[in-house]
Amino acid sequence: GAVVSQHPSRVICKSGTSVKIECRSLDFQATTMFWYRQFPKQSLMLMATSNEGSKATYEQGVEKDKFLINHASLTLSTLTVTSAHPEDSSFYICSASGLLYEQYFGPGTRLTVT
Amino acid sequence: DQQVKQNSPSLSVQEGRISILNCDYTNSMFDYFLWYKKYPAEGPTFLISISSIKDKNEDGRFTVFLNKSAKHLSLHIVPSQPGDSAVYFCAASATGNQFYFGTGTSLTVIP
Repeated sequence: GAVVSQHPSRVICKSGTSVKIECRSLDFQATTMFWYRQFPKQSLMLMATSNEGSKATYEQGVEKDKFLINHASLTLSTLTVTSAHPEDSSFYICSASGLLYEQYFGPGTRLTVT
Repeated sequence: DQQVKQNSPSLSVQEGRISILNCDYTNSMFDYFLWYKKYPAEGPTFLISISSIKDKNEDGRFTVFLNKSAKHLSLHIVPSQPGDSAVYFCAASATGNQFYFGTGTSLTVIP
C-alpha cells in the first residue's frame, strides 16, 4: 500500500527559531496533501490543503505567514513553522490524497518548542 | 509498509441497520486505537477510542471492539443514520504519540 513519510519524527527547537517538516509520498504521486495538527486527546485539526504547484489553502484561524506550506513536487510537501513559540508545540501530521477519497497519513512529527 | 489496514474501501448500509467497519494492524506493540470520521473538505473528527486493556468500548450508537490476538478492531454503528455517511479512519499508536492511520472506509447509509 501507499506510504507517506514525515521527517523529522521528533524535533526540539528554541523559541524564535524556524522548523521545517517534510512530508513525502513514497510510491505514488499526490496532487493534494493535507497538514493537520493534533492536540492531546483531541481531533486532528486541518490546517491547510496543499496542491502541487499552487498556493496552499489555509483553514480559518491558521496563520499562513507563520505556517508556511510548500508543495513543490507531486511527492513532497513541506511545512515550516516560523518563529516558533512554546504554544506551537504539538503533533503535526500530513496526509496525501489518492485517486479517490482515500487518504494516506504520515506518522506525524512531534514538535517541542522550548 | 502499511501497519494499519482498512481493507474495505466502501460500505453501503440501509438506514436503521448496523454498520460494521473493520481495521487490521500488524504491530503487536500498538496499545491505543482511535476511530475518526471525516466529511469532505473537513479534517477528521474523533469518534471513539479504546486501549489495549479493554476489548470493548461503547459510546452511544458507536461501539469499538478490539481483538488483540487477531490484531483486529471494528467499529459498530447501531442504528445507522444517513448523517453517518462519511469516511471512517482507524488509527493506532504504540507510544501514545505517533499514530498510524488506515486508508479509510467510505460509509454510505441509504435512507
